[in-house]
Amino acid sequence: GAVVSQHPSRVICKSGTSVKIECRSLDFQATTMFWYRQFPKQSLMLMATSNEGSKATYEQGVEKDKFLINHASLTLSTLTVTSAHPEDSSFYICSARHGEGFMGKNIQYFGAGTRLSVL
Amino acid sequence: LAKTTQPISMDSYEGQEVNITCSHNNIATNDYITWYQQFPSQGPRFIIQGYKTKVTNEVASLFIPADRKSSTLSLPRVSLSDTAVYYCLVGVYNQGGKLIFGQGTELSVKP
Repeated sequence: GAVVSQHPSRVICKSGTSVKIECRSLDFQATTMFWYRQFPKQSLMLMATSNEGSKATYEQGVEKDKFLINHASLTLSTLTVTSAHPEDSSFYICSARHGEGFMGKNIQYFGAGTRLSVL
Repeated sequence: LAKTTQPISMDSYEGQEVNITCSHNNIATNDYITWYQQFPSQGPRFIIQGYKTKVTNEVASLFIPADRKSSTLSLPRVSLSDTAVYYCLVGVYNQGGKLIFGQGTELSVKP
């Protein structure tokens, strides 16, 4: 299957700092990537849809100024958590949509996730 | 947006066949059904995708009835390493194929 790389796998930072997470599709181009967050024992929650060359579409309740998304190329999307606080501590996961044909059939491939701990 | 409903948890023993059923009553005509597996502290892993009837790959089978309002993931002869959370998802055609995760089914395989 297609491979999505996410970096870093774990980050610990002080409150007030910004953290950037990278998501790369290694063997395919992805015009659309997605960002999720997951709290312990809970399901994944979609945060935003990242489209190459255009602004991200955020889900209701997600602060776009807090979670900056940039999708500058067909293989890279980044999520920056600005002025992180302890409540932002979570598991962040990206995915990339593989295939440019019929969207209903496209498969999303996921990165391994990033564990963010804000002290 | 098609909502999915699955059992919260299931128990099984090694070597048994496990069937997890998911209901998606308001699935749209263009939506495909996709199943993922997730281990703790890892991203979900694609298992199988289908539109109707039966799909089989080296890992699992997916059964979809004619009305497409439900689907069943079948895992043959499970092992301890199949202990994970399994998610059934229905993509949204007109929203770039985004997926909304439900609670998933926590499968526990015992020796």
